[in-house]
Amino acid sequence: GAVVSQHPSRVICKSGTSVKIECRSLDFQATTMFWYRQFPKKSLMLMATSNEGSKATYEQGVEKDKFLINHASLTLSTLTVTSAHPEDSSFYICSVPTGSYNEQFFGPGTRLTVL
Amino acid sequence: GQNIDQPTEMTATEGAIVQINCTYQTSGFNGLFWYQQHAGEAPTFLSYNVLDGLEEKGRFSSFLSRSKGYSYLLLKELQMKDSASYLCAVVDSNYQLIWGAGTKLIIKP
Repeated sequence: GAVVSQHPSRVICKSGTSVKIECRSLDFQATTMFWYRQFPKKSLMLMATSNEGSKATYEQGVEKDKFLINHASLTLSTLTVTSAHPEDSSFYICSVPTGSYNEQFFGPGTRLTVL
Repeated sequence: GQNIDQPTEMTATEGAIVQINCTYQTSGFNGLFWYQQHAGEAPTFLSYNVLDGLEEKGRFSSFLSRSKGYSYLLLKELQMKDSASYLCAVVDSNYQLIWGAGTKLIIKP
């Protein structure tokens, strides 16, 4: 498996500001990481696949210029929510695929609240 | 389109057994996962099925029937800490993970 951390765990920001969320794979070198968003009582929605050393792959409907992803090393991927608006308030979770079945090990999540 | 169906919510009694069903229609099939997600937390891996049949792991078992596009998660000897959402996710032909909306399980004493 993999131990995945995220920072910060909670963030409150004003509308129009940018927020950076870090995802670290503490004990596994991850060439791929996933970024999800989850609204209350809803399922996980894959936003993008973060690829070490290359551009992220975004899912349909996700604005790549608004959600900037950087996967600079095998242990760190960052998601920056630019010019955040209240509708961006959500639970953002990263994951690392590994293990016997390539199951995903999730970070603890970051709860973003945009005022 | 791709679709995964699970009941939205289920209620069970501590010490009892509960079965959470998942049906899927996807473009291809390369395995099915069950994850547990406590409120406010990230999901954690429970099980993986790729062949038909029952996989048992302690109090939790997962069953798969590929011909019926059907799986269930069986939880025995329910404990209060089992109160959580249970997510079914299918790997399609492109090895993309398709997530169900999850089943919220409420355990009553």
